[in-house]
Amino acid sequence: SQTIHQWPATLVQPVGSPLSLECTVEGTSNPNLYWYRQAAGRGLQLLFYSIGIGQISSEVPQNLSASRPQDRQFILSSKKLLLSDSGFYLCAWSVQGAPVAFFGQGTRLTVV
Amino acid sequence: DQQVKQNSPSLSVQEGRISILNCDYTNSMFDYFLWYKKYPAEGPTFLISISSIKDKNEDGRFTVFLNKSAKHLSLHIVPSQPGDSAVYFCAASADAGAQKLVFGQGTRLTINP
Repeated sequence: SQTIHQWPATLVQPVGSPLSLECTVEGTSNPNLYWYRQAAGRGLQLLFYSIGIGQISSEVPQNLSASRPQDRQFILSSKKLLLSDSGFYLCAWSVQGAPVAFFGQGTRLTVV
Repeated sequence: DQQVKQNSPSLSVQEGRISILNCDYTNSMFDYFLWYKKYPAEGPTFLISISSIKDKNEDGRFTVFLNKSAKHLSLHIVPSQPGDSAVYFCAASADAGAQKLVFGQGTRLTINP
């Protein structure tokens, strides 16, 4: 069966520090991968999605970047965090051509 | 521009009764709709979906209704159980194989014993 791993579960980082969140998927090949963010009191906003290794699409201009170095690995990064980067970050995957996305457990990021 | 809206931030229902969660959308290109359930500090889990070629889809206690002319969908849970207490998100995509989902803001459902 397919599983998705996302870590860490919680993270507190000072303003200006770098960020690296990692997500891996097991049990499937060539998945679509996504990074979403849920800000306080708001819905889930798509940040990045990838349909293959090295192929990243950004949905909103922001202080973050994403990379897909391997088929089932998706990384969310920032060189310098801002207070506004605080939120709940979720990695997700889907089968190519299918609309249902399966989410990881999420990372609660607090920038202080 | 909020293309998918859940106008009720919260809903409280007595155990055993019907819970009805509503969702409106503005983009007429959306043709696939999904409901997700989310517990605190966890990722959303897929609940049920519906294609725009249908107006109803049922899975056990959960039924989703789609009214395309009104650009409205609803999730019915009957009977409601305490374990149904969670935040429910509706989501939409512009094609069945889309890589992107647009989510509503969520509705917090509380089931009272």
